[in-house]
Amino acid sequence: QKEVEQNSGPLSVPEGAIASLNCTYSDRGSQSFFWYRQYSGKSPELIMFIYSNGDKEDGRFTAQLNKASQYVSLLIRDSQPSDSATYLCATSASKIIFGSGTRLSIRP
Amino acid sequence: DTAVSQTPKYLVTQMGNDKSIKCEQNLGHDTMYWYKQDSKKFLKIMFSYNNKELIINETVPNRFSPKSPDKAHLNLHINSLELGDSAVYFCASSPRLLQGNTEAFFGQGTRLTVV
Repeated sequence: QKEVEQNSGPLSVPEGAIASLNCTYSDRGSQSFFWYRQYSGKSPELIMFIYSNGDKEDGRFTAQLNKASQYVSLLIRDSQPSDSATYLCATSASKIIFGSGTRLSIRP
Repeated sequence: DTAVSQTPKYLVTQMGNDKSIKCEQNLGHDTMYWYKQDSKKFLKIMFSYNNKELIINETVPNRFSPKSPDKAHLNLHINSLELGDSAVYFCASSPRLLQGNTEAFFGQGTRLTVV
């Protein structure tokens, strides 16, 4: 079993809709959870982190964490074509572990 | 000013050669990392250094040897390159060993192609 699992996609969402990205993790010792966005040919950049159960909102982005279910998600409201990218979920305990990413495509 | 910089950005080389990738960060961070991202976009940690000391050494062939002359630099030397080494290698840094909400800042990546 992979330590951090994501659906590889592609996930296609119409412009203006809500994109929902999901991630599960296996290490119960994980303390912090990150969502990185990676455009094709570019390096990952952090867009959200969360370490408490519940929701955390930042602009159009909401991260949700459920430690009991070992589940973290990212919601993107009012999706824009510029949101088209690969989204990497990551967890950290003694090191940061990445999932394989979900490719998101926003169609106009 | 680039926070985490890697050189070269592209590297094409023949099997069996030895090559190095350099990484420097000007953020004053204590911790630096090397990650390998394969064609399926899976980003896998290889090494982690904290204040020039090796902290994490994942299951990586001995042909890969990191070197940290100071905490602002972490270079990666690869001996006897193989086809399977082709990937994008990312250097990253963070203020301290990853815990809590410390994020990793990534360099622009080095695309290594072994032919």
